[in-house]
Amino acid sequence: EAGVAQSPRYKIIEKRQSVAFWCNPISGHATLYWYQQILGQGPKLLIQFQNNGVVDDSQLPKDRFSAERLKGVDSTLKIQPAKLEDSAVYLCASSSLGGVSYNEQFFGPGTRLTVL
Amino acid sequence: AQSVTQPDIHITVSEGASLELRCNYSYGATPYLFWYVQSPGQGLQLLLKYFSGDTLVQGIKGFEAEFKRSQSSFNLRKPSVHWSDAAEYFCAVVSPSGSARQLTFGSGTQLTVLP
Repeated sequence: EAGVAQSPRYKIIEKRQSVAFWCNPISGHATLYWYQQILGQGPKLLIQFQNNGVVDDSQLPKDRFSAERLKGVDSTLKIQPAKLEDSAVYLCASSSLGGVSYNEQFFGPGTRLTVL
Repeated sequence: AQSVTQPDIHITVSEGASLELRCNYSYGATPYLFWYVQSPGQGLQLLLKYFSGDTLVQGIKGFEAEFKRSQSSFNLRKPSVHWSDAAEYFCAVVSPSGSARQLTFGSGTQLTVLP
């Protein structure tokens, strides 16, 4: 079974530029998550999708970050414009639809973003 | 709000020595508890999880963890560390109910293994 795919793996940009990250979840997984992991910290949830709807985006800085999952499969996370403090690893995870039970999240390798 | 504390930022052990990584959580009820490992350039891999029942849980790669309700702790242990265990370890919690079910992570413990 293929895992969660993310691209690019690394990205270097200058502040005020735009950047986009792509995630392809495990086939059949209805729930998709984007996390931000700043160096020395644990991952922090940015946004959670269930199919193509947003379940939780309370920690997404909506003035500069946006995310979409138009067909309920792939997802794109965008930052526009980037700030120095956005330098981090952006992790995508997916899980099957659990209902009342909790289903394990499977993580991709992440995209390391450096903002200069 | 739920929170997770990993008091040790960095731990160094010799290969073959035992290991214990500490994790404390703050939550209104008993959450679901997890330990993840992250190797350089890799995503997070689940080592083990606790939902209910037996408070000593076994995971992959020879790891185990013990849930102690009275101490709000979920410490990770391994009797004999291998050089390949060098990585960063994260404790995480999730609500046992609700629709969002987001994972809340600790800040991680970096493990160095000496030959």
